[in-house]
Amino acid sequence: GAVVSQHPSRVICKSGTSVKIECRSLDFQATTMFWYRQFPKKSLMLMATSNEGSKATYEQGVEKDKFLINHASLTLSTLTVTSAHPEDSSFYICSAMEGGSGGYTFGSGTRLTVV
Amino acid sequence: AQSVTQLDSQVPVFEEAPVELRCNYSSSVSVYLFWYVQYPNQGLQLLLKYLSGSTLVKGINGFEAEFNKSQTSFHLRKPSVHISDTAEYFCAVSDLDGATNKLIFGTGTLLAVQP
Repeated sequence: GAVVSQHPSRVICKSGTSVKIECRSLDFQATTMFWYRQFPKKSLMLMATSNEGSKATYEQGVEKDKFLINHASLTLSTLTVTSAHPEDSSFYICSAMEGGSGGYTFGSGTRLTVV
Repeated sequence: AQSVTQLDSQVPVFEEAPVELRCNYSSSVSVYLFWYVQYPNQGLQLLLKYLSGSTLVKGINGFEAEFNKSQTSFHLRKPSVHISDTAEYFCAVSDLDGATNKLIFGTGTLLAVQP
């Protein structure tokens, strides 16, 4: 089946630095990927839709300058948390659409801790 | 716009008992419906999905769900649960018109299986 690889699984960074999270579709091409944020004991909040070769579409309330999304190829989307602060600490999960099948495959998530 | 309601934030149940996790959705267009399971600090695993056809959908790990259009529900059921089924369960909906293909999640239900 379709596999999405997300890396790193866990990262700790200092406040003020930037962190890049990668999401790769391993055996299929993903023209559309999604980035979610999950707070402890909460649901997944859609942050943005990443479209290959075009600008990402951000959900209301998500700072596009803080959460930079790049989808330069059909198999890779990246989320960069810029100038991270402790309140950015969270679990970030990516998802890719399996074109034509109506399905979505999720990465294993990245636990970001900003200290 | 679509939305998903999971009325039960937590469902305690004894091992080998049956369980039903409730999910209701709202949408102005036809939808795809999904159930995902999430174990602690992990990504999401697809249990089952409804795209079209038979309203009774069978998934992995003995779970099944029934799509009820008149009641706008997609409840998840399992006739006999195991300790290992303890996890967070998310219902999700996606629009079929292709405008956004966003996958929107409910708030989740913690299934707590007790011995």
